[in-house]
Amino acid sequence: GAVVSQHPSWVICKSGTSVKIECRSLDFQATTMFWYRQFPKQSLMLMATSNEGSKATYEQGVEKDKFLINHASLTLSTLTVTSAHPEDSSFYICSARDRGGRQYEQYFGPGTRLTVT
Amino acid sequence: AQSVTQLDSQVPVFEEAPVELRCNYSSSVSVYLFWYVQYPNQGLQLLLKYLSGSTLVKGINGFEAEFNKSQTSFHLRKPSVHISDTAEYFCAVRVGAAGNKLTFGGGTRVLVKP
Repeated sequence: GAVVSQHPSWVICKSGTSVKIECRSLDFQATTMFWYRQFPKQSLMLMATSNEGSKATYEQGVEKDKFLINHASLTLSTLTVTSAHPEDSSFYICSARDRGGRQYEQYFGPGTRLTVT
Repeated sequence: AQSVTQLDSQVPVFEEAPVELRCNYSSSVSVYLFWYVQYPNQGLQLLLKYLSGSTLVKGINGFEAEFNKSQTSFHLRKPSVHISDTAEYFCAVRVGAAGNKLTFGGGTRVLVKP
């Protein structure tokens, strides 16, 4: 089946530093990837949609200069949290849509837990 | 804009008992409906989906859901739960074929007790 990986699975960083999270589709090509944020015991909130080779589309209220998204290839999208603050601590989940598959289906990665101290 | 409401934030249930998780959505156009399960510290796994056709859909792990257009509901059921069904369950909606985004409900935490 379609597998999406994320790296790292968890990361701790100091306030003011930047951290990069990778999302990879392992056995399919993903023209579209999605980045979600999930606070403890809450639902997933879509942050942005990225399409390979073009700029990401951010949801209202998401700072694009703070959450940099790069979808450089059909199998890799990265989310960089710049100048991280403790309030950025969260669970970040990506999903990907199979270029050759059903358009309605998204495959989710296992998530990355970010803790900013 | 569409919204998804999961009426129960937490559902405790005894092992081998049935469970129903309620989901209502609001949308004036056709939708695709999904149920996902999330185990602790993991991503989401698709349980089942409704695209068209039969309103009763069967998914993995013995789950099923029924789409009710008049009530704009998509409730999830399982006749007999196991301890391993303890998890967070999310209902999600995607608007039509042209829509890109999934909108998630707030989630329902199922706690199966022995």
